[in-house]
Amino acid sequence: GENVEQHPSTLSVQEGDSAVIKCTYSDSASNYFPWYKQELGKGPQLIIDIRSNVGEKKDQRIAVTLNKTAKHFSLHITETQPEDSAVYFCAASKNTGNQFYFGTGTSLTVIP
Amino acid sequence: GAVVSQHPSWVICKSGTSVKIECRSLDFQATTMFWYRQFPKQSLMLMATSNEGSKATYEQGVEKDKFLINHASLTLSTLTVTSAHPEDSSFYICSAGAGPLIGPLHFGNGTRLTVT
Repeated sequence: GENVEQHPSTLSVQEGDSAVIKCTYSDSASNYFPWYKQELGKGPQLIIDIRSNVGEKKDQRIAVTLNKTAKHFSLHITETQPEDSAVYFCAASKNTGNQFYFGTGTSLTVIP
Repeated sequence: GAVVSQHPSWVICKSGTSVKIECRSLDFQATTMFWYRQFPKQSLMLMATSNEGSKATYEQGVEKDKFLINHASLTLSTLTVTSAHPEDSSFYICSAGAGPLIGPLHFGNGTRLTVT
């Protein structure tokens, strides 16, 4: 089955700096990679996603890159703000069954 | 965007009682719903996958007789924790998918279950 690894587990950055979270996956058949943000006591919220036919996708301060050959993808947050503080999860999925495999999460703290 | 509503947001129950958690897709038809359990500072652990009108598929190690899942319509799935024990205390989260093609899963806001 698929195995998704996520690093780092915790990350602290100064407000205004950039944050990068990296994930690797094992199943080359995975072709959809979403990123979720989870605030304390709430369910995960989709923030950005990328499909395997695209190498990079950007939405304002958030971007995701995908390297299919190396089987890794990364989340980039620029100009971080305190409200970006949360736990971020990456995930990988294939075309069959909507089965999502989640990474172990990264707790991001943005220091004002 | 797609909205998934989960109720209750928190519940406290006594050992031995049963608790039902509802997950509704409000503006789309969810052919597949997923139930997760999350321990503090850990990732989401998939418990089961439910498809409308059929039996749920449980992950290895999850007791199907203890965690009853019903997906009676395209907009509602329920998780019933039967004969709850303190070790069942956890954060339970549902998510829903809109079809067989992959796409974003939409999550509910979770239910904090505390068994005393």
